[in-house]
Amino acid sequence: AQKVTQAQTEISVVEKEDVTLDCVYETRDTTYYLFWYKQPPSGELVFLIRRNSFDEQNEISGRYSWNFQKSTSSFNFTITASQVVDSAVYFCALSDYGNNRLAFGKGNQVVVIP
Amino acid sequence: DAMVIQNPRYQVTQFGKPVTLSCSQTLNHNVMYWYQQKSSQAPKLLFHYYDKDFNNEADTPDNFQSRRPNTSFCFLDIRSPGLGDAAMYLCATSNGLAGAGGETQYFGPGTRLLVL
Repeated sequence: AQKVTQAQTEISVVEKEDVTLDCVYETRDTTYYLFWYKQPPSGELVFLIRRNSFDEQNEISGRYSWNFQKSTSSFNFTITASQVVDSAVYFCALSDYGNNRLAFGKGNQVVVIP
Repeated sequence: DAMVIQNPRYQVTQFGKPVTLSCSQTLNHNVMYWYQQKSSQAPKLLFHYYDKDFNNEADTPDNFQSRRPNTSFCFLDIRSPGLGDAAMYLCATSNGLAGAGGETQYFGPGTRLLVL
């Protein structure tokens, strides 16, 4: 069974600080896909990244970076030099091969204080 | 820009009065999904269409139904809304290959349903 755990429910940081969101997943499949989505107060889920289980390279996109470690079943997300516009709920999600369903974590509410 | 569109953004209905939520897409994706998201919770998949094939989640109440008349449009019908159905309803699409899975889902802005 798929399971995604995002232990930190709400994280507050002061603007320009870095913030790291932890995501731990469980799956029995060897082929799977991991995602991060951002949900700002407007409600739309915005796709940030997709990573397959065979690609363990870390990725950086502007102020965002992701650290994928299969050994610890984690796919952590870091926002560097946070800005007020980063205030949102961030969801980590998992999909197994051959399955359209996304298993979402409970989300991390990030509050960036100016 | 290619996108997923949901109308209306806010919908108010009365207890027990049928309501339909709409979703359209210009991405030409073959898979469309409906999610329900209640306050401070993760989205919950209600059902999805793989082309014209309808896939219902086992725990989706019978009160919820869906129609997909063509590739671009998908509707969510709530036959007799209860107070517990007040939520954000999110439509998503993906470009799926048969049996592959794992494709990225792109979401619309959502329709927030209020039941009075």
